[in-house]
Amino acid sequence: QKEVEQDPGPLSVPEGAIVSLNCTYSNSAFQYFMWYRQYSRKGPELLMYTYSSGNKEDGRFTAQVDKSSKYISLFIRDSQPSDSATYLCAMSENNAGNMLTFGGGTRLMVKP
Amino acid sequence: EAQVTQNPRYLITVTGKKLTVTCSQNMNHEYMSWYRQDPGLGLRQIYYSMNVEVTDKGDVPEGYKVSRKEKRNFPLILESPSPNQTSLYFCASSLGTGEAFFGQGTRLTVV
Repeated sequence: QKEVEQDPGPLSVPEGAIVSLNCTYSNSAFQYFMWYRQYSRKGPELLMYTYSSGNKEDGRFTAQVDKSSKYISLFIRDSQPSDSATYLCAMSENNAGNMLTFGGGTRLMVKP
Repeated sequence: EAQVTQNPRYLITVTGKKLTVTCSQNMNHEYMSWYRQDPGLGLRQIYYSMNVEVTDKGDVPEGYKVSRKEKRNFPLILESPSPNQTSLYFCASSLGTGEAFFGQGTRLTVV
């Protein structure tokens, strides 16, 4: 079993839809949780960064962490075609950013 | 512009021919890492470095070497590449506050 599980998709939604992306994990020592967005032929870029359980909102993006269930989510409101990308969840025991464990990524397609 | 630069972007080589993928960052970050990305497996860490002359193995270090002689550079060395090392490679750097900055990637094919 992988340490971090993520549905690979692809997930196809119409423009304007609310998107829900999720990851589950098994290592209870993870304290820091991130979502990265990766466009085709590009490196991952950080979208959201959260510590421990709770919610964090940034514009159209909301990250949720439920450590008791070992489950994290990313919600995208009013999705746009420009949101079409692969979304990777990542986790770490420390906040150094140098030892990240990634999920396999979910490919999202937002259709106009 | 703050960035992580990898070279080359694309490389096709033959089994057993030593190669080096360079990585350089201009943000004065202490932490640097190498990852490989394979379909369905996500990114897996190969090696990481917490400072000059300090390196350690990640999850999949076999067949790779690294060095950190200068703070800005962190080259990845494949002494004797094999076809199972065909992959997309990413270098990343971090200040130690959580966010990792990734390079554009190097697509390596070993035939």
